[in-house]
Amino acid sequence: GENVEQHPSTLSVQEGDSAVIKCTYSDSASNYFPWYKQELGKRPQLIIDIRSNVGEKKDQRIAVTLNKTAKHFSLHITETQPEDSAVYFCAVREKLTFGTGTRLTIIP
Amino acid sequence: DAGVTQSPTHLIKTRGQQVTLRCSPKSGHDTVSWYQQALGQGPQFIFQYYEEEERQRGNFPDRFSGHQFPNYSSELNVNALLLGDSALYLCASSLGLSNQPQHFGDGTRLSIL
Repeated sequence: GENVEQHPSTLSVQEGDSAVIKCTYSDSASNYFPWYKQELGKRPQLIIDIRSNVGEKKDQRIAVTLNKTAKHFSLHITETQPEDSAVYFCAVREKLTFGTGTRLTIIP
Repeated sequence: DAGVTQSPTHLIKTRGQQVTLRCSPKSGHDTVSWYQQALGQGPQFIFQYYEEEERQRGNFPDRFSGHQFPNYSSELNVNALLLGDSALYLCASSLGLSNQPQHFGDGTRLSIL
């Protein structure tokens, strides 16, 4: 089955700086890569996704890049704000295999 | 436009009992997937229903079963509950089977005593 590794497990960033979270996957046939944000006690919320025919996708302060050859994709958050503090999960394919999560803390 | 709704929000059971969790998909969605999320971990895929049939299944025992109704709502049943079944059970809905965005409900928190 698919194996998804996510790094780092925790990340602290000064407000206004950028944050980068990386995931690697094992199945070269994987073709859909969403990112979810989960605040404490709440549902995972889809924040951005990318398909394998695209190398990069951006939505305001959030971007995702995909390297199919190396089988990794990354979430980039620029100009971080306190409300960006949450756990972020990457996932792979329609039968979503999730990464282990990154707890992002924005330091005011 | 109603999002994904799940019931109940919390449930307490004892070992050996059986439980049924319910999910109504987001309006316009026809596919329902179920996930188990243990504390501090990412969601683990249980199974997916489309056109009232189980289409894909994760690495969960047969104690976990489900059903999808003609109105696209779904149930997750767990028999012979174990302490390790304590978790947040999340339902996600999407349109069709081909890599469409999945939207999650708030989940059912199941505690096994």
